[in-house]
Amino acid sequence: SAVISQKPSRDICQRGTSLTIQCQVDSQVTMMFWYRQQPGQSLTLIATANQGSEATYESGFVIDKFPISRPNLTFSTLTVSNMSPEDSSIYLCSALLPHGPVYEQYFGPGTRLTVT
Amino acid sequence: DAKTTQPTSMDCAEGRAANLPCNHSTISGNEYVYWYRQIHSQGPQYIIHGLKNNETNEMASLIITEDRKSSTLILPHATLRDTAVYYCIVWAGRANNLFFGTGTRLTVIP
Repeated sequence: SAVISQKPSRDICQRGTSLTIQCQVDSQVTMMFWYRQQPGQSLTLIATANQGSEATYESGFVIDKFPISRPNLTFSTLTVSNMSPEDSSIYLCSALLPHGPVYEQYFGPGTRLTVT
Repeated sequence: DAKTTQPTSMDCAEGRAANLPCNHSTISGNEYVYWYRQIHSQGPQYIIHGLKNNETNEMASLIITEDRKSSTLILPHATLRDTAVYYCIVWAGRANNLFFGTGTRLTVIP
């Protein structure tokens, strides 16, 4: 199994500012992901954080708005840039670890962001 | 793309078994059935997964039909702490992300 921590756990930010969320995994992992969960909704994948290269973004998400870093195999950051109230969501980091013949995906506790 | 169909919500009496159904009629031969749950304000938590045989662990049992087109997650003795959204996901278990549908909101009633 893996333990994933995120910082901050929550924040209230003013529109127009940026927030960087940190994700730390207690073991080296091949793949890390960032998800967004808007109020009352399911999880939506933002991007795959690739170690040593640019992140791979899903449709509707762009690097200028959600820059991602992945400097090593245990750590990643997601920045929410130029925030607006529509960015108020829970942001979740996750990591894939092998489990026998398949993988399991583990999730951090999430960062609850409120933009005023 | 959603590959599973789940009821939107269910109630279960505390201490009783909670049976959560899931339809996945288009599942491929190499795809597993995974179950996760998300307790309010927490990240999703892995529960169990299976390919074609029934599986049991300390949290739950997973019953998969012989044709693999549907499955049922069973929480044998539901407690109030089992109140959560339960997601049924079909996934090949390879190096790519999970797709989350809308899940079933289970409410355990005292």
